[in-house]
Amino acid sequence: QKEVEQDPGPLSVPEGAIVSLNCTYSNSAFQYFMWYRQYSRKGPELLMYTYSSGNKEDGRFTAQVDKSSKYISLFIRDSQPSDSATYLCAMSAGGANDMRFGAGTRLTVKP
Amino acid sequence: EAGVAQSPRYKIIEKRQSVAFWCNPISGHATLYWYQQILGQGPKLLIQFQNNGVVDDSQLPKDRFSAERLKGVDSTLKIQPAKLEDSAVYLCASSSGLGYDTQYFGPGTRLTVL
Repeated sequence: QKEVEQDPGPLSVPEGAIVSLNCTYSNSAFQYFMWYRQYSRKGPELLMYTYSSGNKEDGRFTAQVDKSSKYISLFIRDSQPSDSATYLCAMSAGGANDMRFGAGTRLTVKP
Repeated sequence: EAGVAQSPRYKIIEKRQSVAFWCNPISGHATLYWYQQILGQGPKLLIQFQNNGVVDDSQLPKDRFSAERLKGVDSTLKIQPAKLEDSAVYLCASSSGLGYDTQYFGPGTRLTVL
């Protein structure tokens, strides 16, 4: 079993839709949870960061962490074609050198 | 603020050849990382530097991979000899601190080994 599981998709939605992206994990020591966005031929960029359980909202993006279920989600409201990218979840127990990434979900938002 | 720079962007070599990648982190960032991202997978950490010292190289295949960060700024990652399974994107990232801290990634070098 991988430490971090993420459905690779691809996921295609119409513009304006609500998008839900998810990851599950097995290591209960993880307490830092990140979502990265990676455009084609580019490096990942940090989108959202959450510590421990709970919700965090930033504009159209909401990150949720449920440590009891070992499940994290990223919601994108009013999705735009510019949101088309691969979304990677990542998590860490505390150090940058123990960060584990999911495989990424490729999202396409169609105009 | 200039981002993380990497070169070359693309490299095609034959197996058993050697190759080197270069990374220039964001100015002032003490910590530098090299990741390997195989197609369809998330990045995997190869080595982490704090200034010019190695913090973690536990996942670096040391029989063929080497990395250095002279003077605590630029870094090079070398593969010698390359294998087919080394085909991947090699990402460099930097951060200002050592603990959990935002990592800024470069565009990566796409390596194809034939």
